[in-house]
Amino acid sequence: SSELTQDPAVSVALGQTVRITCQGDSLRSYYASWYQQKPGQAPVLVIYGENNRPSGIPDRFSGSSSGNTASLTITGAQVEDEADYYCNSRDSSVYHVVFGGGTKLTVL
Amino acid sequence: QVQLVESGGGVVQPGGSLRLSCAASGFTFSRHGMHWVRQAPGKGLEWVAIIGEDGSALYYTDSVKGRFTISRDNSKSTVYLRMNSLREDDTAVYYCAKEMGDTPSVYYYYMDVWGEGTTVTVSS
Repeated sequence: SSELTQDPAVSVALGQTVRITCQGDSLRSYYASWYQQKPGQAPVLVIYGENNRPSGIPDRFSGSSSGNTASLTITGAQVEDEADYYCNSRDSSVYHVVFGGGTKLTVL
Repeated sequence: QVQLVESGGGVVQPGGSLRLSCAASGFTFSRHGMHWVRQAPGKGLEWVAIIGEDGSALYYTDSVKGRFTISRDNSKSTVYLRMNSLREDDTAVYYCAKEMGDTPSVYYYYMDVWGEGTTVTVSS
């Protein structure tokens, strides 16, 4: 089955822009979706498809994809964006879902 | 409002069984696939299974195939996860999540609504 690789931790200064990446072969065929998870809470979908935000997600969150890499960009990071971020996509060979290992975002 | 509420978690010995339930409200349950996703303590998210909107499509991650069974009752807007032959590495918070799309038999694996989770601990 496929794997998705994320950097374990990323930091950003308050108000600056940060990009969180996700790499995997399945991303050549399928778009990623991105989830934000704060401690003790359930994940929340923040980006899906080519670059779509569910209702209620601030427009500072955006997504992009190139080749085998998907990216989540936060433009003007806020304190409340500090969280774990997970990418996922359909596995390229079977009807399975694969998640990345997660990226812990720290806002300094 | 759209809501998912899981129940049925608990402490069980290795080799034991549990059935988790996830009650849905606020959307047309019978039009959406449903997922179970788990998270071991201090670890990342792991997809467990999906069931199609009419119960006909069933897929499982390899580590639970043959031990776990996902099912649904559209008349009760509830999805279930029957877990048999539980192992210590099944210890996790189990979330149910709604598949975003509502096109029959088309699954994008975008999970737009999640429950708060139910905790399963497998320990002797």
